[in-house]
Formats: sequence, C-alpha cells, structure tokens
Amino acid sequence: QQQVKQSPQSLIVQKGGISIINCAYENTAFDYFPWYQQFPGKGPALLIAIRPDVSEKKEGRFTISFNKSAKQFSLHIMDSQPGDSATYFCAASKNQAGTALIFGKGTTLSVSS
Amino acid sequence: EAGVAQSPRYKIIEKRQSVAFWCNPISGHATLYWYQQILGQGPKLLIQFQNNGVVDDSQLPKDRFSAERLKGVDSTLKIQPAKLEDSAVYLCASSRGGAQYFGPGTRLLVL
Repeated sequence: QQQVKQSPQSLIVQKGGISIINCAYENTAFDYFPWYQQFPGKGPALLIAIRPDVSEKKEGRFTISFNKSAKQFSLHIMDSQPGDSATYFCAASKNQAGTALIFGKGTTLSVSS
Repeated sequence: EAGVAQSPRYKIIEKRQSVAFWCNPISGHATLYWYQQILGQGPKLLIQFQNNGVVDDSQLPKDRFSAERLKGVDSTLKIQPAKLEDSAVYLCASSRGGAQYFGPGTRLLVL
C-alpha cells in the first residue's frame, strides 16, 4: 500500500520559473515531512523538512507548503536553475516514534536554459 | 563532519551468488537504516537499527537478506542467494533521532 503519492512524475521548467511538486499522504500519524534531492549516481540529500504544526517553511529558493486538513504538502522551487535538474522525493515518517521514511515515487525535474 | 560511508560503490554478480555491503554511519548517530532503491522508484526500507538492536525488519526478505550491526556502529547487509530482482541501489542512512542522512549507495547488478 503506497502511503505517499507524489506528482507529477516528470516536470520541465524554464530557467527562472517556479517548479511545483505535490505530495499527498494517508496516515494521519505522520509528523515529519522532508524533501530530498537526488542527482544521478548519488544518494538522496535532505533539502528541507516541515512538521505539521506550521503551514509553510522557506529556505532560500525552496519552500514547503503544508495543508494538514487535506493531508497534502508541496515543494516550490523559485527562480529554478539548470543546476536544480534532479529527482526530488517527498517522504513522511512518524518521527517522534523514530520510524523510517516512506518515500514517494519521485519527480524528475529538468530546468531548461 | 564526515558523511555516511558505503562500500563497494558498484557490484556485479550472477544470480544465486552472495554479496555483502558495508556502511559506516555518521559519528554519534544511533539509528541506522538500509533502504533499497529500484530504478525509477523511491527508496524502500529494508531494516532499521537502533544502536545494535533491530527496530524494524518487517520488509526484509529474510529468506535471502540478512543484516547486522554488532557493535552499534557500522553495519553489513548480505544477500544470499541473489535474484535478478535484487538489482537496485542499496542505500544506508543514519540519524540522531531527527533528519536522516544518506550515503552514496551501492549499485548492485545481478545477471
């Protein structure tokens, strides 16, 4: 049973544009929602994370928006750059309970110059 | 601070052979995870350790996969015998109770 659904599967954005990736979860016990960035041949790297007591978190050009009632969260990449071209994964866990991450299937982002 | 180390980076074996992967977590991280990432998918947990004890191995195919973390630091994941469907990247991650940090992974190809 897939507990974290991610869309779109792939995304093409012009340089300077906004990239938006969406995720939906099912388990209301999840309390930690990170986003990871993965380049080919590398391990996933933590980008930004949010807990359900806030609706938005911003770090540089990256913003997570969180909608607890809809059980959805999204990643916005402002001023997208060619160097942002990578695969992005959303994930969720019951962090207080120390459980492992449940990942979405990933979104391949390509930023064209 | 050094990151999560994994070796080997690549491994090619034939089906029914055995293979072992090694992981050294970030210093001081008590929790260690092994994930399997099949091409085009997100990582999926195989096993989670807290110090040298197993917390969750519910998704580990125990008839062929085994893992240990004897001294609560580094860990070894073994597959014996390997099947074609085991071709994947095996990722190790560690945490100190919060964010999880991943190593570069071991890319396994089973022929």
